Order: sequence, then structure tokens, then C-alpha cells
Amino acid sequence: KNQVEQSPQSLIILEGKNCTLQCNYTVSPFSNLRWYKQDTGRGPVSLTIMTFSENTKSNGRYTATLDADTKQSSLHITASQLSDSASYICVVSLQTGANNLFFGTGTRLTVIP
Amino acid sequence: NAGVTQTPKFRILKIGQSMTLQCTQDMNHNYMYWYRQDPGMGLKLIYYSVGAGITDKGEVPNGYNVSRSTTEDFPLRLELAAPSQTSVYFCASSYSARSTDTQYFGPGTRLTVL
Repeated sequence: KNQVEQSPQSLIILEGKNCTLQCNYTVSPFSNLRWYKQDTGRGPVSLTIMTFSENTKSNGRYTATLDADTKQSSLHITASQLSDSASYICVVSLQTGANNLFFGTGTRLTVIP
Repeated sequence: NAGVTQTPKFRILKIGQSMTLQCTQDMNHNYMYWYRQDPGMGLKLIYYSVGAGITDKGEVPNGYNVSRSTTEDFPLRLELAAPSQTSVYFCASSYSARSTDTQYFGPGTRLTVL
């Protein structure tokens, strides 16, 4: 069964600290993995995308890693800011088809001053 | 570009009522999608469209209908609202169905059925 699991469900960190969010998946055949950021009351916005051959991708203070062998990904946020407070969703794509995305349930991150 | 816009932002319906959720994109994307997001759950695909006049069911289509008469618009119709349809609905669009193409999401419509 194609599934995407994320941990932790929620996380509270102090402003300026780093954190790492986890994503495990069983989706096959795998095409790529994205991390989306969803601010409260808004739609998800793509942060990074990694294909099978990529094991790291950065977007500013966000760095995503992918281990396709163990089917795990992580999103590392460096020097967190209050604006990083959001839900972070891991999305895995099959190789073909319009109906090809599998969404994780997200990690709710709260950054406090 | 406004991107993907949705109306209304919020709506409360009574059981059995009908409504249409509007979605418009100005990026000339061929593909459009409707998702629902329930608390603690991942987004689920309701319907999608690969172009004007062509629609197909997603994972959870029961209780919904869609149409695609233009490239820009993809409305979602609820005919007989039920409490199980209480959710946040997101419309999205992409240029193609290639898995590497980004889906751009609208701001969502929060629907409550009482």
C-alpha cells in the first residue's frame, strides 16, 4: 500500500534553533519527493523537490535530504524564524499519472520567541 | 498573476443543501485538481481535469461533481451536503501531469455542514 508517514506530528522550538522533520514512504514506483510548506489558512507551497538520483536539495534555510534505499527523507530548518511556523507536508509522486501524489499528514511547527 | 483563486473562503451549509466551490487559475495550466483536507489527514484527491471538457475521478469522488468548460475554471459541485463533507477544499493546477511539474494550490475553502 502506498503510504507517506511524517514525524513528529507537532513540534515547538525556540526562534533561532534548528530542527529536523522526518518523512518515511512506501510509494512505488517512486518518481520524486517534495516538501511543501502550508501556512495557516493558506494552500501548500512547494519548497523542494528531489528525484531518485538526488540526495540533498536546499532552499535558503531549508535543506531536504533523501535516502531512496531506505525510503526516508528529512527536512532540516536552520536558524528558525517566527515565519517558519507552519505545517510541513511531505508529498511523494508515482512515476506516471495525473492521480499520482501521496500526501503525508504533515508536521505542525511552531516557532516561539 | 493571481495564480489559483478560490471562492468562497468560508461557507456553512445545512444538510441537504447544494453549493458550488469556484476555482480559477490564470497560469494557462492544462491540469486542475480538487483536494479535500481533513484534520490529521493528508490531502485526498476528489477530481481532476486534464483539459477543457475532460474530467476524471480521484480517490474520493462520491458526493461531488465537476465540470471544465474553460481552461481557467474548474468548479466543484456539492449536490446534497452531508456532515462528512465538512472539510477544507483546495484547488490546484499544473502545466502537465509530469511528476516533476509543480502543483500550485489555491488558498482553500473551509466548508462546514451542519
